Amino acid sequence: NAGVTQTPKFQVLKTGQSMTLQCAQDMNHNSMYWYRQDPGMGLRLIYYSASEGTTDKGEVPNGYNVSRLNKREFSLRLESAAPSQTSVYFCASSLASYNEQFFGPGTRLTVL
Amino acid sequence: GNSVTQMEGPVTLSEEAFLTINCTYTATGYPSLFWYVQYPGEGLQLLLKATKADDKGSNKGFEATYRKETTSFHLEKGSVQVSDSAVYFCALSANDMRFGAGTRLTVKP
Repeated sequence: NAGVTQTPKFQVLKTGQSMTLQCAQDMNHNSMYWYRQDPGMGLRLIYYSASEGTTDKGEVPNGYNVSRLNKREFSLRLESAAPSQTSVYFCASSLASYNEQFFGPGTRLTVL
Repeated sequence: GNSVTQMEGPVTLSEEAFLTINCTYTATGYPSLFWYVQYPGEGLQLLLKATKADDKGSNKGFEATYRKETTSFHLEKGSVQVSDSAVYFCALSANDMRFGAGTRLTVKP
């Protein structure tokens, strides 16, 4: 089992560019999450999907969109990147909403 | 709303020293409590958890007890090793998931 995988591992964008971060899990989990991690702020929830076909905003959703493509995959899209979105992004999954979560290795994004 | 406050770091200890990282929480209802660990360049891994008052979570020599009366879930280890150097996050799960800011631990030989 690969667990939770994320691509890419690193990305550099210019202000205004768009990109999609990909996440997949092979644990047959129902719930998936996107977080951002910034120094001194812990993890903050961007969006989550309690189950296939549903998505909800988290604490910091502005500037992001998500798609729960199927039970395995949950993508995060930045339509017009801004320097404030420079961060490390983690995808996570859990069997049910807000149970023990399993995390991917992260994507380090820099917006110039 | 729900929140987690944990001890600010960084914390530097010598090998075999005793570790405590304080964590307190604010939540409505009866949350589950977690400690996660993040090693350099990696995602978070669950270290231990407790789902109700007075439960003790333990793993790899680390322990934490769910104290409802003091709304605390402090992480302890009796004798730390260099390999325990990492960032530790306290978290709670109620109707959402909240993480503390993280405490960086460095253990020197």
